[in-house]
Amino acid sequence: GENVEQHPSTLSVQEGDSAVIKCTYSDSASNYFPWYKQELGKRPQLIIDIRSNVGEKKDQRIAVTLNKTAKHFSLHITETQPEDSAVYFCAASIGSNYKLTFGKGTLLTVNP
Amino acid sequence: DAGVIQSPRHEVTEMGQEVTLRCKPISGHNSLFWYRQTMMRGLELLIYFNNNVPIDDSGMPEDRFSAKMPNASFSTLKIQPSEPRDSAVYFCASSMTSGNEQFFGPGTRLTVL
Repeated sequence: GENVEQHPSTLSVQEGDSAVIKCTYSDSASNYFPWYKQELGKRPQLIIDIRSNVGEKKDQRIAVTLNKTAKHFSLHITETQPEDSAVYFCAASIGSNYKLTFGKGTLLTVNP
Repeated sequence: DAGVIQSPRHEVTEMGQEVTLRCKPISGHNSLFWYRQTMMRGLELLIYFNNNVPIDDSGMPEDRFSAKMPNASFSTLKIQPSEPRDSAVYFCASSMTSGNEQFFGPGTRLTVL
């Protein structure tokens, strides 16, 4: 089955800096790659996603890039703010079955 | 829309007791997922249903775990008998077959003493 690796497991940045989280996947048939944000004690919530027919997608301060050849995708957060502090999960799925395989998560801390 | 609803939000029980977790998906969604989240293992998919039919239960840890979806608006996850290692947060999520985004419920924090 699909295996998703996520790095780093923890990331600490200063407010205003950029943060980058990277994931790799194993199944070349995967074609949907969402990113979820989970604040402490809360549910995971989708922040951005990308499909395999697109190389990059941007939404204000967050962007995701996908390299299908290398089977990796990354989340980029610019101008980080303290409210960006949370655990971020990447995931991958083959669109026909909608089964998401999640990475282990990255704890992002933005220091004021 | 109220979103995905789960109950109870917290459950404390003793080893050996039966535990039943409940989920109401978002109206109109026809895929439902049960996840377990722990520090050690992260977010694991236990089982998912499409149009009330179980599609993949390969993540269910063992026979003590069972899940049902008797209709489009209700699902249960049962653990019998429960063990301390079952302590975790259990999330239910739902999505539309025509899209991939999964909407998570607030979760049930289960503690087995």
